[in-house]
Amino acid sequence: GQQVMQIPQYQHVQEGEDFTTYCNSSTTLSNIQWYKQRPGGHPVFLIQLVKSGEVKKQKRLTFQFGEAKKNSSLHITATQTTDVGTYFCAGPMPANNNDMRFGAGTRLTVKP
Amino acid sequence: NAGVTQTPKFQVLKTGQSMTLQCAQDMNHEYMSWYRQDPGMGLRLIHYSVGAGITDQGEVPNGYNVSRSTTEDFPLRLLSAAPSQTSVYFCASRIGQGAGSPLHFGNGTRLTVT
Repeated sequence: GQQVMQIPQYQHVQEGEDFTTYCNSSTTLSNIQWYKQRPGGHPVFLIQLVKSGEVKKQKRLTFQFGEAKKNSSLHITATQTTDVGTYFCAGPMPANNNDMRFGAGTRLTVKP
Repeated sequence: NAGVTQTPKFQVLKTGQSMTLQCAQDMNHEYMSWYRQDPGMGLRLIHYSVGAGITDQGEVPNGYNVSRSTTEDFPLRLLSAAPSQTSVYFCASRIGQGAGSPLHFGNGTRLTVT
């Protein structure tokens, strides 16, 4: 079945440094979604990418979808303590758009 | 709007006990789903529903039952709890079928099975 792999599992940065998390799928994705989960909280939707090579920005966050639609990345410029949390990517199974598979997540900690 | 509401927030069960985790949404979403979250494993889909009267299995359905008698409610039943079912459970809904809209998550239920 489809595997959605996410690296790194953990990332600890100094406030002001950049951060990137990568998501790779074993199959082509029709779209990919990114979520953020604050410590003790629930996942919250950030963005969806649909087109090959798509790049979207939300303030300091930049999301990319690979040309082959099998990988994606989230880059945060100049991290802040408010960026702390776990970032998940998620993509639908090839044969079933109702079955969303999540990566294991990247847990970001930021030292002030 | 309350969004997606899950009850209880915490639960401790003994092995072999049964219980129902409640999930309700007030957004008139067609799609509802249950995920479990374990350390290092992300969120894994247990069951989902695309509308009242329709349910289907996800990645890890064994040991769980669901039903969808109304659009608003999607309870998850543990038939005979096992320690391996210790986890955080999230209910999520979205506006339509297919993967084109974002999932809205509840606050979660933290379940411990001893």
